[in-house]
Amino acid sequence: DAKTTQPPSMDCAEGRAANLPCNHSTISGNEYVYWYRQIHSQGPQYIIHGLKNNETNEMASLIITEDRKSSTLILPHATLRDTAGYYCIAVYNQGGKLIFGQGTELSVKP
Amino acid sequence: GAVVSQHPSRVICKSGTSVKIECRSLDFQATTMFWYRQFPKQSLMLMATSNEGSKATYEQGVEKDKFLINHASLTLSTLTVTSAHPEDSSFYICSALAGGAYGYTFGSGTRLTVV
Repeated sequence: DAKTTQPPSMDCAEGRAANLPCNHSTISGNEYVYWYRQIHSQGPQYIIHGLKNNETNEMASLIITEDRKSSTLILPHATLRDTAGYYCIAVYNQGGKLIFGQGTELSVKP
Repeated sequence: GAVVSQHPSRVICKSGTSVKIECRSLDFQATTMFWYRQFPKQSLMLMATSNEGSKATYEQGVEKDKFLINHASLTLSTLTVTSAHPEDSSFYICSALAGGAYGYTFGSGTRLTVV
């Protein structure tokens, strides 16, 4: 599984878009990019995943570069409840193991 | 849809005793489940992959005789921490591949404290 690199922490103003980057320069063609978030002392929550195309759901948007070496998770209007750890993971979609990196601690401030 | 239920949410046990943690997929069948543990201010560390009807696959450095995993049905996997010691105190989390729009779904975690 490809290794991912994320900044350890980021701040975002409430109501603004939060753009969380992830580098996965060694990703292979069969690996998907998954994003999860974890609020303190809870299990991780699925946000979004994609392979090549940009994806959007009710929680966030995922922008994957054309060469697939990096991606950005966008929370369009961050709220205080979005304060959490965010993890970007590259994994084979059918049963591959989710290996968590260090993730990004996002702090949304009033 | 795609809910994973994990119990108990918190447990305190005495050193030397065993503790069982259950992970159930409520509305889907999970051939494969995963067990993680997480120490304070650290990321999740994969311990093992649990396969229904067969032996679990443990990650390097995880003692299989200490962390017994049983995946007897398509909706239930259990992790038993045997002869628990204070250093086993941690946050244990299970996950299952729900597929489709749900990806991998996680339980809410179990806080184990060994005294």
